Amino acid sequence: GDSVTQMEGPVTLSEEAFLTINCTYTATGYPSLFWYVQYPGEGLQLLLKATKADDKGSNKGFEATYRKETTSFHLEKGSVQVSDSAVYFCALRGGSARQLTFGSGTQLTVLP
Amino acid sequence: NAGVTQTPKFQVLKTGQSMTLQCAQDMNHEYMSWYRQDPGMGLRLIHYSVGAGITDQGEVPNGYNVSRSTTEDFPLRLLSAAPSQTSVYFCASSYSRSGPNSPLHFGNGTRLTVT
Repeated sequence: GDSVTQMEGPVTLSEEAFLTINCTYTATGYPSLFWYVQYPGEGLQLLLKATKADDKGSNKGFEATYRKETTSFHLEKGSVQVSDSAVYFCALRGGSARQLTFGSGTQLTVLP
Repeated sequence: NAGVTQTPKFQVLKTGQSMTLQCAQDMNHEYMSWYRQDPGMGLRLIHYSVGAGITDQGEVPNGYNVSRSTTEDFPLRLLSAAPSQTSVYFCASSYSRSGPNSPLHFGNGTRLTVT
């Protein structure tokens, strides 16, 4: 079945550092890929998405490119802020599936 | 602009008790779903619905029942609570019947402890 593997956390960075959170997936066909973010005490929010190979999703300075050849959708940000501290989830929807498959989440802490 | 509202925020149950977690959305979304979040396991789908009167099982449905009598409400019932059901539960909805291709809107969660 479909699966998503994210890099283990937690990740701790200083403000203005470069962020990469790795995400790889296994799916049949051509899945849509997503990054969701969960701030403390809240539900998840969609951060960005990509629906076909080579698409780049971007939002709030975050970017991720759908790489079919490496089955990856790594999240990047050039300069993180304290307010980016949250848990980040990679997810996919495969084919005609009516559900999202989530990775285990990566806790990010940004220190001032 | 309420979005997805879940009640209660916190709940403690004894093994064998029953309860209903409430979920309501005011966005006229057709698709609604319930996830549980456990440490190191991400979110796992329990049940979902693509419209009033239609429900289906997700990845981990055992021990849970749902119904969808209106577009707005999608309650999750635990018939006989077990310690393994200790978790954080999230309700999520989206506009499209195709579900996750349109963004999921999440509630703030219900933290359930079963002793």
